[in-house]
Amino acid sequence: DGGITQSPKYLFRKEGQNVTLSCEQNLNHDAMYWYRQDPGQGLRLIYYSQIVNDFQKGDIAEGYSVSREKKESFPLTVTSAQKNPTAFYLCASSIDGQSYLEQFFGPGTRLTVL
Amino acid sequence: QQPVQSPQAVILREGEDAVINCSSSKALYSVHWYRQKHGEAPVFLMILLKGGEQKGHEKISASFNEKKQQSSLYLTASQLSYSGTYFCGTHSLNAGGTSYGKLTFGQGTILTVHP
Repeated sequence: DGGITQSPKYLFRKEGQNVTLSCEQNLNHDAMYWYRQDPGQGLRLIYYSQIVNDFQKGDIAEGYSVSREKKESFPLTVTSAQKNPTAFYLCASSIDGQSYLEQFFGPGTRLTVL
Repeated sequence: QQPVQSPQAVILREGEDAVINCSSSKALYSVHWYRQKHGEAPVFLMILLKGGEQKGHEKISASFNEKKQQSSLYLTASQLSYSGTYFCGTHSLNAGGTSYGKLTFGQGTILTVHP
């Protein structure tokens, strides 16, 4: 079955540690996205990539980093510079970056900083 | 800038109708609607495009007023399964006049349907 997988589902981290969230898709989509969701809030874009080896900052990129070395993978690193990293992180993909195409979301990773 | 959704929350009984609105301060190229159940991923419902083309969901309809920079989602004869948080995502043309770029999501509207 085609889809987007994120791992792990739950992640606990100590303050000061970097952590990497995995996102893999087998939909052959060119574009991939990372969103952050806080309780009672909408989705805020962290980074997006429209093609391999290229990515752009979203609205809240500070304290995060990404790479896009393969079409199917778009890992997100939450660095120690991110002041308030506890949140629900969602990865999404679309066929390409055109605005008329739907985005498919993964199941999410809930990150808690202890 | 984030689009504004209204109302923030709606409570319905099964079979009742609801309208959720999404307003933007920017000229819009497209509006996306998604529904999210608690703790789950958002699920696509519908896309509305500038110029009127619509792609969507069989039991839910929507409108897009380009002049007013607004979209409305219409849920008729609501079912228990309609409960969840509804998000609109808006897309504006970028500086180069192309449609590539990012969606900006509203804060969400919580819909609760009771038997």
